[in-house]
Amino acid sequence: QQQVKQSPQSLIVQKGGISIINCAYENTAFDYFPWYQQFPGKGPALLIAIRPDVSEKKEGRFTISFNKSAKQFSLHIMDSQPGDSATYFCAASISGSARQLTFGSGTQLTVLP
Amino acid sequence: NAGVTQTPKFQVLKTGQSMTLQCAQDMNHNSMYWYRQDPGMGLRLIYYSASEGTTDKGEVPNGYNVSRLNKREFSLRLESAAPSQTSVYFCASSEHTGQPYEQYFGPGTRLTVT
Repeated sequence: QQQVKQSPQSLIVQKGGISIINCAYENTAFDYFPWYQQFPGKGPALLIAIRPDVSEKKEGRFTISFNKSAKQFSLHIMDSQPGDSATYFCAASISGSARQLTFGSGTQLTVLP
Repeated sequence: NAGVTQTPKFQVLKTGQSMTLQCAQDMNHNSMYWYRQDPGMGLRLIYYSASEGTTDKGEVPNGYNVSRLNKREFSLRLESAAPSQTSVYFCASSEHTGQPYEQYFGPGTRLTVT
């Protein structure tokens, strides 16, 4: 049972373009939505995160948009750079001990120079 | 400060062999996790340990066992490896009271079962 669905599976963007990755969730108890970035041969690392009480969070070129009623959230990468080429995972968790993360299936982003 | 370390980095096993994947963290985190990563499936939680002395099953625990040896170390054991366990395994740790909440991942162990 996939509780967090992510699309697209792969994305190719030109340098300077906007990359958009979408996620949808089913469990309304989720109250924390992070995005992780993973480079080849490395473990994932936290990129940016949002809670459902705000509709948007921006950190530099990275923005999360959150739509609570639609149970969807997305990552926007503005002015995409070749160094942004990586796999991106959305995730969701519920407050409480251990804070298990449920991950989406991942999006492999390639930014062409 | 090494963060989360995992050993070995690579391993090839024959079907039926056993092995233990080691994980250690030096951030004094209470919670630790084991995930497997397969193409097109994201990261799936195998087992987790909310605190020293406790372990719980995640989404895909069958064929695995874990031991929370102490606060720093959390090992994953495959008793009788199967080709379906070919995957990249990641260990992570977290302090769930932190803001923002973050899981810190190790570099992974790439396991092939033939």
